[in-house]
Amino acid sequence: DAGVIQSPRHEVTEMGQEVTLRCKPISGHDYLFWYRQTMMRGLELLIYFNNNVPIDDSGMPEDRFSAKMPNASFSTLKIQPSEPRDSAVYFCASSPGLATDTQYFGPGTRLTVL
Amino acid sequence: AQTVTQSQPEMSVQEAETVTLSCTYDTSENNYYLFWYKQPPSRQMILVIRQEAYKQQNATENRFSVNFQKAAKSFSLKISDSQLGDTAMYFCAFMKPRMNYGGSQGNLIFGKGTKLSVKP
Repeated sequence: DAGVIQSPRHEVTEMGQEVTLRCKPISGHDYLFWYRQTMMRGLELLIYFNNNVPIDDSGMPEDRFSAKMPNASFSTLKIQPSEPRDSAVYFCASSPGLATDTQYFGPGTRLTVL
Repeated sequence: AQTVTQSQPEMSVQEAETVTLSCTYDTSENNYYLFWYKQPPSRQMILVIRQEAYKQQNATENRFSVNFQKAAKSFSLKISDSQLGDTAMYFCAFMKPRMNYGGSQGNLIFGKGTKLSVKP
């Protein structure tokens, strides 16, 4: 079975541009998570979905960030407008439907905002 | 709020030797889960091992084992017979069981990581 798929793997953009990151979770997983990794703050949760519904978005840094999950096999994280401080690696992870289940991570998207 | 602390930013070990990475956490919960993830230079986050807090027996996965001390809130990772491919960042993570609705349950809270270098 394929793992979590993220695209693009690398994104370089200029300040002020819109950026969209994409994620395809493992088939059959009910939970999807977006994390951000930076040197200063480490790995932190941005938002997570259960059955396509956003459950906790308290980690989303500000209104410039938005996430959607239109169906069980696709999610996007959008930054509009992007800023240099958004430069980071963004991970998507998915998990089956049980309370105790492990999260499986995608390869990440390295975002650089110039 | 839960916190996870990894006090060793960097460690090195000779190939074939044993190394132990430290992790402590702070929580008032009684039921929770602990994980070690590995992040090699490829950047992929790979699950190494997981421990349920209600289990007294320490988890093991081949060359990887943990020393889980619930009262001390300590969760160290031991890597035996270290291999060059073990070179990576290692992250300790804490998770409360996920409830059916809302809240921060089910989220992973990560430590800052330990960079492990295995030398030939």
